[in-house]
Amino acid sequence: GESVGLHLPTLSVQEGDNSIINCAYSNSASDYFIWYKQESGKGPQFIIDIRSNMDKRQGQRVTVLLNKTVKHLSLQIAATQPGDSAVYFCAENKANRDDKIIFGKGTRLHILP
Amino acid sequence: SAVISQKPSRDICQRGTSLTIQCQVDSQVTMMFWYRQQPGQSLTLIATANQGSEATYESGFVIDKFPISRPNLTFSTLTVSNMSPEDSSIYLCSAPRGVQETQYFGPGTRLLVL
Repeated sequence: GESVGLHLPTLSVQEGDNSIINCAYSNSASDYFIWYKQESGKGPQFIIDIRSNMDKRQGQRVTVLLNKTVKHLSLQIAATQPGDSAVYFCAENKANRDDKIIFGKGTRLHILP
Repeated sequence: SAVISQKPSRDICQRGTSLTIQCQVDSQVTMMFWYRQQPGQSLTLIATANQGSEATYESGFVIDKFPISRPNLTFSTLTVSNMSPEDSSIYLCSAPRGVQETQYFGPGTRLLVL
């Protein structure tokens, strides 16, 4: 069935190292993907997005990679900082779903001092 | 970025009662969405709040339990009716904003039902 999910529920990374958070999706009709960061007690915060006509997009310290062949999405965070500790969600929008965003399960990123 | 606010930010309610959550967006938007986030879990879409027409509910959610209003293009309410402890969750509203129609979220309403 349809799913947007993450491989690992928790990821621990040393401060200063790079982190990679992975996401798999199953619906090839999805054409828009988003990464959100949710800190404790707050709503999801938009990080970066990518459309299906691209395979890579870069932001400030973040890069999203999209591999449509294997339906895989990843978020790379460079030089992680304590403020990067949060739960990260990938989400997808299907072309025929009127802007509805469907969320994956989430990965908790823990930055080690 | 968009500014989306919600009221109340949190509440503790008795079972059998109802709570109405308000969502305000700082500019007019065509669509608004309501999500539920149960403890330790991801966000699940409840419904799409349409201005001028009835809300569109996702599978597993019904209007009698989660009535929604959308009186104008900047405001929506979600009511959690006849609450039980299983309704204890974070309820979030969202709206697409900007040229890219990026989906922004409110801070959420944390509901505890005793």
